[in-house]
Amino acid sequence: DAGITQSPRHKVTETGTPVTLRCHQTENHRYMYWYRQDPGHGLRLIHYSYGVKDTDKGEVSDGYSVSRSKTEDFLLTLESATSSQTSVYFCAISIRDTQYFGPGTRLTVL
Amino acid sequence: AQSVTQLDSHVSVSEGTPVLLRCNYSSSYSPSLFWYVQHPNKGLQLLLKYTSAATLVKGINGFEAEFKKSETSFHLTKPSAHMSDAAEYFCVVSDDTNAGNMLTFGGGTRLMVKP
Repeated sequence: DAGITQSPRHKVTETGTPVTLRCHQTENHRYMYWYRQDPGHGLRLIHYSYGVKDTDKGEVSDGYSVSRSKTEDFLLTLESATSSQTSVYFCAISIRDTQYFGPGTRLTVL
Repeated sequence: AQSVTQLDSHVSVSEGTPVLLRCNYSSSYSPSLFWYVQHPNKGLQLLLKYTSAATLVKGINGFEAEFKKSETSFHLTKPSAHMSDAAEYFCVVSDDTNAGNMLTFGGGTRLMVKP
């Protein structure tokens, strides 16, 4: 257990509404990541952070933004949710070059 | 650029028989390679990791994987399947960069274990 929690664990929302997902870690690790998981694609990187206020884009960043104002929290925001963003979202942290994953958030956009 | 191909999207075995999940990778660097397991409606759990030490890597729950550079493969094996091994397995390659280790995932292999 790498001390990662995600909230909410499940969310149903409507197209066009903003959504924020939270990832929280308890051990002050520098690197944090957001992924989405879709059938047949494994996990794909959305955004990552290498410190407070230091973030960068991943492979599938369109339609997503992130913020990290504290070491322990990494927020993922969908400014205007679309049905194509229905997915399972995982947060991860890096410890000695190995990533450990949170329990995931299942997001459904109707 | 790096990539990972898991050669089988589904594998079905009988309980007590060997498991083989195949993975080929492409990387410009000396890669780190991982296998993760995901049980239904759960997060990903690290099974094992290769980082250029021994080419045969032992992981949790009796799994092991062998790094073969000449074949660019990192296949996962277990001598005897258990019902609790039914899950999805992901082969992952890491590119160590200044921004932390960036992972590229294979598409996953769903392992089914028959009684």
